[in-house]
Amino acid sequence: GDSVTQMEGPVTLSEEAFLTINCTYTATGYPSLFWYVQYPGEGLQLLLKATKADDKGSNKGFEATYRKETTSFHLEKGSVQVSDSAVYFCALKTGGGADGLTFGKGTHLIIQP
Amino acid sequence: DAGVTQSPTHLIKTRGQQVTLRCSPISGHKSVSWYQQVLGQGPQFIFQYYEKEERGRGNFPDRFSARQFPNYSSELNVNALLLGDSALYLCASSPNTGELFFGEGSRLTVL
Repeated sequence: GDSVTQMEGPVTLSEEAFLTINCTYTATGYPSLFWYVQYPGEGLQLLLKATKADDKGSNKGFEATYRKETTSFHLEKGSVQVSDSAVYFCALKTGGGADGLTFGKGTHLIIQP
Repeated sequence: DAGVTQSPTHLIKTRGQQVTLRCSPISGHKSVSWYQQVLGQGPQFIFQYYEKEERGRGNFPDRFSARQFPNYSSELNVNALLLGDSALYLCASSPNTGELFFGEGSRLTVL
């Protein structure tokens, strides 16, 4: 079945550091890929998405590129802020989406001032 | 505009009891999905409803059921609760674009 693997947390960085959160996937067919973010006390929010190979999703300074050859969708940001502290989830959806999203376990990111 | 609203926000039940969780989607959204998020894990898909019909079901036992009403709100029911059902239950609504908008969840504790 479909699965998503993302790096274990917590990941602790200093403000203005470069961020990479790794995400790899296994899926039948050609999935759409997503990054969701969950801030403390809030629901999941879509951060960015990519629907086909080589697409780059971007939002709020975050970027991720759909790499079919390595089945990866790594999340990057050039300079993180304290306000980026949250839990980040990589997810995929195949076909018409009747099976819902398949999520990774989440990566807790902590940014220190 | 109001986002996805869920109730109750927290509840405690004992093993063997039944629970009903409620969700109101964003106005204009006709699709509602339910996810279970166990502590330390990512959300797992339970159900998707569109226009009051079940469109998808995850790998959950028959103790889990749901329905969607004419106003597109939804209920998730879990019977014969087990300790392992303790989790955050997330509801998400979506417009035709397929993007999911999540509520803050209902945290269920089973003792």
